[in-house]
Amino acid sequence: GAGVSQSPSNKVTEKGKDVELRCDPISGHTALYWYRQSLGQGLEFLIYFQGNSAPDKSGLPSDRFSAERTGGSVSTLTIQRTQQEDSAVYLCASSETSGLAVETQYFGPGTRLLVL
Amino acid sequence: GDSVTQMEGPVTLSEEAFLTINCTYTATGYPSLFWYVQYPGEGLQLLLKATKADDKGSNKGFEATYRKETTSFHLEKGSVQVSDSAVYFCALKDTGRRALTFGSGTRLQVQP
Repeated sequence: GAGVSQSPSNKVTEKGKDVELRCDPISGHTALYWYRQSLGQGLEFLIYFQGNSAPDKSGLPSDRFSAERTGGSVSTLTIQRTQQEDSAVYLCASSETSGLAVETQYFGPGTRLLVL
Repeated sequence: GDSVTQMEGPVTLSEEAFLTINCTYTATGYPSLFWYVQYPGEGLQLLLKATKADDKGSNKGFEATYRKETTSFHLEKGSVQVSDSAVYFCALKDTGRRALTFGSGTRLQVQP
């Protein structure tokens, strides 16, 4: 079946502009995650959704970052007033929810964001 | 807090050489441990995992054993191929958390 998809694959924006990044998880996966991969910080967790709620937002770096998920499916990560340090690859992952097994997170190809 | 430390790369090997990539971790609970691989131009893929002490994860000739006494999860392969050239990430998921904590990644280059 289809994997996790993300759009756009690349985004170039000017400092101060807002951007929206989209993630389509694997169908039926109730858990969705956003991570950021940057040269200076490696791979960092941003936020986790279970259904439409976000019980763990601890990785969001500032209040310029927000995310939502609707219908238990698509998620949007929004960065307001972008800064150059926001330049990174933003990765989305999804997983099934199991009370017993340690579920595997499946990653999308990422959105490469460049803030000029 | 949780953390994962990997050996720095790049690691450059000749084809058929033995591979070890070291990974150690700190965690507050009883974590599950993972190795993810990122091939050039592709997304992160799960390579193998282990969920409790002394478990051995294996896939595609790669192995890693969960060593609680040394808080380690070193990745090994007996004979690498050019197609194994990629970036390898060690990661953990701690008890009560859903997020993964990743190491910094180790780039492996295998020369023919």
